[in-house]
Amino acid sequence: KAGVTQTPRYLIKTRGQQVTLSCSPISGHRSVSWYQQTPGQGLQFLFEYFSETQRNKGNFPGRFSGRQFSNSRSEMNVSTLELGDSALYLCASSLPTSGPHGADTQYFGPGTRLTVL
Amino acid sequence: ILNVEQSPQSLHVQEGDSTNFTCSFPSSNFYALHWYRWETAKSPEALFVMTLNGDEKKKGRISATLNTKEGYSYLYIKGSQPEDSATYLCAFPRDYKLSFGAGTTVTVRA
Repeated sequence: KAGVTQTPRYLIKTRGQQVTLSCSPISGHRSVSWYQQTPGQGLQFLFEYFSETQRNKGNFPGRFSGRQFSNSRSEMNVSTLELGDSALYLCASSLPTSGPHGADTQYFGPGTRLTVL
Repeated sequence: ILNVEQSPQSLHVQEGDSTNFTCSFPSSNFYALHWYRWETAKSPEALFVMTLNGDEKKKGRISATLNTKEGYSYLYIKGSQPEDSATYLCAFPRDYKLSFGAGTTVTVRA
């Protein structure tokens, strides 16, 4: 099976612009989660989608949004970019089978490295 | 403990030595604990999902134990090799969200 893919892998934007990142989960996986990784903060949860519905959202401003399509592919959008949005953005997919507090393994993509100048 | 905490933040190990480190998590309403390994320039890779108190899981030279009553898990690396150099993350699931610890970065010196 192909793994989780993310596009683009690298992105350079300037402050005030917006950006859309894409994630294709492993075939058959219906849950997609997004994370932000910065050196000082570690891996921070952004949101989780299942069957086109957002089931949880992390503590991020409204400039961060996402969506999931009927084929389980997901996109996240960041509007009005700030310097502090420079980070590695990871998505992860899982089946899932085990409910909201789950034991489902998440499989991570390679990430999109966003640099905001 | 309200968040997931890992200690130490980093450690250096001589090749061939064994090591272990800790993940602490909220002990109330426990459901599962995840361990991931994250090597530089790669994606985080799942190691274990632990669900039962007293659980012990093993993958090659890496093993993990779980104590849900006191809210901690240990990860052990036996006979460390340079390829074990990575950041090891634990994560606590709740409400469709994985909360990650800051990780323990292991550097194995040849």
